[in-house]
Amino acid sequence: DSGVTQTPKHLITATGQRVTLRCSPRSGDLSVYWYQQSLDQGLQFLIQYYNGEERAKGNILERFSAQQFPDLHSELNLSSLELGDSALYFCASSVDGYTEAFFGQGTRLTVV
Amino acid sequence: DQQVKQNSPSLSVQEGRISILNCDYTNSMFDYFLWYKKYPAEGPTFLISISSIKDKNEDGRFTVFLNKSAKHLSLHIVPSQPGDSAVYFCAASASWMNRDDKIIFGKGTRLHILP
Repeated sequence: DSGVTQTPKHLITATGQRVTLRCSPRSGDLSVYWYQQSLDQGLQFLIQYYNGEERAKGNILERFSAQQFPDLHSELNLSSLELGDSALYFCASSVDGYTEAFFGQGTRLTVV
Repeated sequence: DQQVKQNSPSLSVQEGRISILNCDYTNSMFDYFLWYKKYPAEGPTFLISISSIKDKNEDGRFTVFLNKSAKHLSLHIVPSQPGDSAVYFCAASASWMNRDDKIIFGKGTRLHILP
């Protein structure tokens, strides 16, 4: 158990819909990352927050947004969903934002 | 633009022998490197890391070597065990001083340990 909690574990939704993925970091970790893993793809960095502020942005679509709340949990919002958005979405947390990050179990999103 | 490259999608190694997984990077600002292991349907698990001030770091059966001039790192697993069969991700990051502090992952190498 990494200490990082992601909910829900599985999500099935229709194209055009909007979903919210939730992440609770390990106790004491200030930084949260979101990654997307599609079939046969590596881990694509989406976005990173540190203590409530956006720190780095990767290949995140404009239809996607995220935020980190004062209690340090984070949400990833995916809207106008397309079939190609079906993937595993991982959240990770770390103390300082660049050393070891610990991953949650992921949310498997299926868009039908 | 792939900043972290794992050029071998898969690797098969006999149980008990050495497994060597390779990784190349292009961004000279990276100063911290990590290896993660991932089983199906689970999140990646941190294995071992190395700072750019070192060229080797060892933890039990796992050793990571860093060659900064070649922008290359490798993970050695000795001896390889059946439970080592997984996908291994190489990752790199740059400290806040380098203003690029995010962890970038390679596409992974699937390691099969053969009985």
